[in-house]
Parts: sequence; C-alpha cells; structure tokens
Amino acid sequence: EVQLLESGGGWVRPGVSLRLSCEASGFTFSTYAMSWVRQAPGKGLEWVSGISGGGASTYYADSVKGRFTISRDNSKNTLYLQMNGLRAEDTAVYYCAKDRFYSSTCHLDFWGQGILVTVSS
Amino acid sequence: QSVLTQPPSVSAAPGQKVTISCSGSSSNIGNNYVSWYQQLPGTAPKLLIYDNNKRPSGIPDRFSGSKSGTSATLGITGIQTGDEADYYCGTWDSSLSAGVFGGGTKVTVL
Repeated sequence: EVQLLESGGGWVRPGVSLRLSCEASGFTFSTYAMSWVRQAPGKGLEWVSGISGGGASTYYADSVKGRFTISRDNSKNTLYLQMNGLRAEDTAVYYCAKDRFYSSTCHLDFWGQGILVTVSS
Repeated sequence: QSVLTQPPSVSAAPGQKVTISCSGSSSNIGNNYVSWYQQLPGTAPKLLIYDNNKRPSGIPDRFSGSKSGTSATLGITGIQTGDEADYYCGTWDSSLSAGVFGGGTKVTVL
C-alpha cells in the first residue's frame, strides 16, 4: 500500500524559511517522479514543484521559482521542499504526490494527506 | 487565473449525468495526457481518470473521460450524493515545463 506522510508544516512569519518532508512507502521510491501541490484556503489546486525519480531534473511554478527548492533522498525514501522567503500568499495545505512516471508529468496517482503552512505576522 | 479552464460549478438531480469540460492549449492538453481528480470535502485529491480516459482500480465505470484537440471532458453518469465534490483536470505544460491544473468544478447533487 502506497503511503505518503508529510511533516514540517506550521506557522511562520513572513520572510522566514521552512522545510517540508514527505516520507514514502509501499513503492520503489527512486523509480517515480514526485511533486508538491498546494491548496490555499478555499481555493483550487496549484502545482508547485516536481522532481524526476533520480533527482537530476527539477521543475517549479513561476510563483515559487528562486524561493523554493525541491530535493529527494532516495536512500531515505523522502522528498523535501525547502521554502525560503515565505510570503503570506504561500499559506496553503501542501500535498506530496507520486507521479505515474520517472519523469515529472503531473500525472499524480497517490497523494499524501497534506500539511498546513501558515505565513502570517 | 488557471492555465486550464473549467466551469466553476455544475449540478444535477440524482441519477442524472453531468459533464465537466477542461479547456487548454496545444502546449498542455493538445500534446499531453489529461488526468482528472476528485476531492471530497476535507480530504486530499484522488486520481479519478488518467491517460485521458482510463480508470484506476476501484473507480466505478460511472466515471469516464475523453479528449479532443485541446479540450477534455469528465463525465459522471447515474450521479449520487456521494459524488458531491470538487473535480480538477491536470496535465503537463510543455512550454512552461510545469504541471498545470484547472480551477476546479464543484459538483452539486440537487
């Protein structure tokens, strides 16, 4: 059974940094791309970032490019999202999601339960 | 403003059929597969349709998907109260090198 468990969320002030983690189990982690998708309160889904199975290729939404960094440790079956320079508009539930392919395609067949990040002064 | 365009809401009486459209461009839907996701209230999204028209194991055949050109459609037949949810289309945009979603469609069963 595929399981994705996010951690690291919480409340932070604008401008600070936060790192999200997503521990995966139930599948061969290094074989699949992974994505982070967020959902602001009462809003729709927004794809944030994706990374290939081996970690060599990374992709970002324009809204986070230069501030967020996606990475993975295949030896630990863990996906990360380093978020720097957080803004109020980054407030959202962040979902970790498994791609159906090795390359990032945003075809996401399993999702974590999500973790809330609140950016407020 | 989302790259993919969906109607904000659709509604139907129990047992009826609803269709949800998803409009894009040649850089996304026109040249990539489309997935559809169902998000029940207070839960994470769940994959409903992949590769335009395939259903994952466990998804009833009341749900169907199709694609033509730069648009895709999700159909739900014999709609039930348990189908009340938000539905999203998604795909890859080759020009943006990024994933894209529609704005979501809220389905209400009257």
